[in-house]
Order: sequence, then structure tokens, then C-alpha cells
Amino acid sequence: EIVLTQSPGTLSLSPGERATLSCRASQSVGGNSLAWYQQKPGQAPRLLIYGASNRATGIPDRFGGSGSGTDFTLTISRLEPEDFVVYFCQQYDESPYTFGQGTNLEIK
Amino acid sequence: QVQLQESGPGLVKPSETVSLTCTVSGYSFSSGYHWVWVRQPPGKGLEWIGNIHHTGNTYSNPSLKSRVTISVDTSKNQFSLKLISVTAADTAVYYCTKGYYHSVWGQGTLVTVSS
Repeated sequence: EIVLTQSPGTLSLSPGERATLSCRASQSVGGNSLAWYQQKPGQAPRLLIYGASNRATGIPDRFGGSGSGTDFTLTISRLEPEDFVVYFCQQYDESPYTFGQGTNLEIK
Repeated sequence: QVQLQESGPGLVKPSETVSLTCTVSGYSFSSGYHWVWVRQPPGKGLEWIGNIHHTGNTYSNPSLKSRVTISVDTSKNQFSLKLISVTAADTAVYYCTKGYYHSVWGQGTLVTVSS
């Protein structure tokens, strides 16, 4: 199975700063079949990005995805207070469709 | 729009079987899509359990494959998860969702395995 490793595990930043979250795959993810999710406490995950770089419906343009092959990035250009939660990446190229272990974005 | 709602027992004893159902509204099963189960142990990450196509074709995570059955009832617009021989390690919030990437999720149902 494709193993996804997210880094860092915890990222400490201030509102207004730029966040860069990484997701590295153990083998190439075909078709850029990589998604990013945001999860707030007590809630189901929310789709942010699919196809590595396509924003889901209703997602603000401060969220951006990039990358291909084995290295993918989620960028949040200007952090808002509600952005300080957990983020997961997921590959849907090859079954089982695995998730990364998550990055916790916390207020510095 | 599509809405998903999980249902099932909140508490299950070790070695027993847990059965969960996801009811889909706002979308006809026969129109397509894969329908998916994902779980999340308390305070931990997400684990993709498996999926089923509306035709009945299924795929289950090899880590759970021998214990998992996913089925669909198109007449009720529902799909189900059955997990046998549960242990404390199966304690988790179980979500149903759809598609290859998951744009719609149920609210999740907590299953606790305890005697």
C-alpha cells in the first residue's frame, strides 16, 4: 500500500502568517490523485483540495495545493483563527486509499 | 444535495460483531459512485476501511479484510459495514462517505468496544 508521511507533525504559527504542510508518498501517486482534508474537533473531515491542486466547492482561495509524484504541499497563504486545526492528506490512486497521519496546526 | 447518516450500536462487547448502516439521501444509488467507510480511533488519524460500488463490487483494506463485510441495499438507499471479532482496538468513530476523494461525510458514529 502507499504510505503517506505528513510533516511536520505539529506546526506553530501566528494568524496572518503563511503555512506550508507537506505530504510525501512512499511511491508515486498516479494522476495526481491526492486530496487534503481539514478536521475540526468533534467534526467529520472537510474536503479542501482534490487532484492535488483543485479547490473543493466553497473553499477559500487562501488554501492552495501543489505537487506531483511523491511530494505534495498544502499552503495556507494567510492564516485565520479558524485554520488552527488538523489537516490530513489522502491518496486515491491505489487501493487501499490511505491517509497521512495528520499535521496539527497550532497558534504560536 | 447528498447527505449521509450513520446508525448503529454505540457499545459492543469484545469478540462480538458490530453492524453499521449508512443511509444516503438526495442521491440515487443506481446512479453510481463508490460508497466508503472510514474510521478514526479517539485522538488518532483516519483509516480507510473499504468501499462498495452500487453494482455490489467491494474492496476492503487488507489490514481488516478477513473481518470486514460491506454490502449495499439499493432499495433502501443504504450501505452497511459488518466487522466481526471486535477488540478494543476497533473502538473508533466510524464515518461513511462517498467517491474516490470524499466531498460528503456523515457526522460519524462512535463505536466503543468494552465488556
